[in-house]
Amino acid sequence: QVRLQESGPGLVKPSQTLSLTCTVSVGYITDGSFYWSWIRQTAGQRLEWIGRINSRGATDYNPSLKSRVAISVDTSRNQFSLRLRSVTAADTAVYYCVREGVTVMVDYYYYMGAWGKGTTVTVSS
Amino acid sequence: DIQLTQSPSFLSASVGDRVTVSCRASQGIGTSLAWYQQKPGAAPSLLIFAASTLQTGVPSRFSGSGSGTEFSLTISSLQPEDFATYFCQQLYSYPITFGLGTRLEIK
Repeated sequence: QVRLQESGPGLVKPSQTLSLTCTVSVGYITDGSFYWSWIRQTAGQRLEWIGRINSRGATDYNPSLKSRVAISVDTSRNQFSLRLRSVTAADTAVYYCVREGVTVMVDYYYYMGAWGKGTTVTVSS
Repeated sequence: DIQLTQSPSFLSASVGDRVTVSCRASQGIGTSLAWYQQKPGAAPSLLIFAASTLQTGVPSRFSGSGSGTEFSLTISSLQPEDFATYFCQQLYSYPITFGLGTRLEIK
């Protein structure tokens, strides 16, 4: 069973860059069957998709964050990372790393079948 | 962006009850919809994808239906461990979006 574990600072100052890493174990990030995503959840329980990357480094980002976000992959360490620039208090949230799979049943169907436990990031001076 | 409207936002029910949660999409998404369960302090957990396909290991009392813009999640006989928050998610187009959740509590 794949495991994902987020790591990074729990406190970031306003205007600085939030950096998180997700380590994938019991599974390989080079598996081309999957995308590797970041999702965050604010205190009001709202879930927001941040973006994703595949093993070849191709990315998709939420347009609402695209100007500030970068997701990268390090296949040698079986990790992928999130960088979010110019943070404000609105970026305070629990950040999850997620494995997105796909199944083919006439059409392609994506789903988020494996989640890390999440890490709380607070933006505050 | 595709908006997902869940209803109700809060539901009070008893063990053994049959409950249904609805999710309406702002435009047609075929059957590219998933449902997740989240318990306090834990990450969401996949229940159903492709609108009606049960994830491996999920009890058969959970079922999903719908297509286009109208979807539903049904729990046929509530168990104590089912009291949680449920979210729908569309994966039809980017950005991926979620409903605001339905909190299911014990009556």
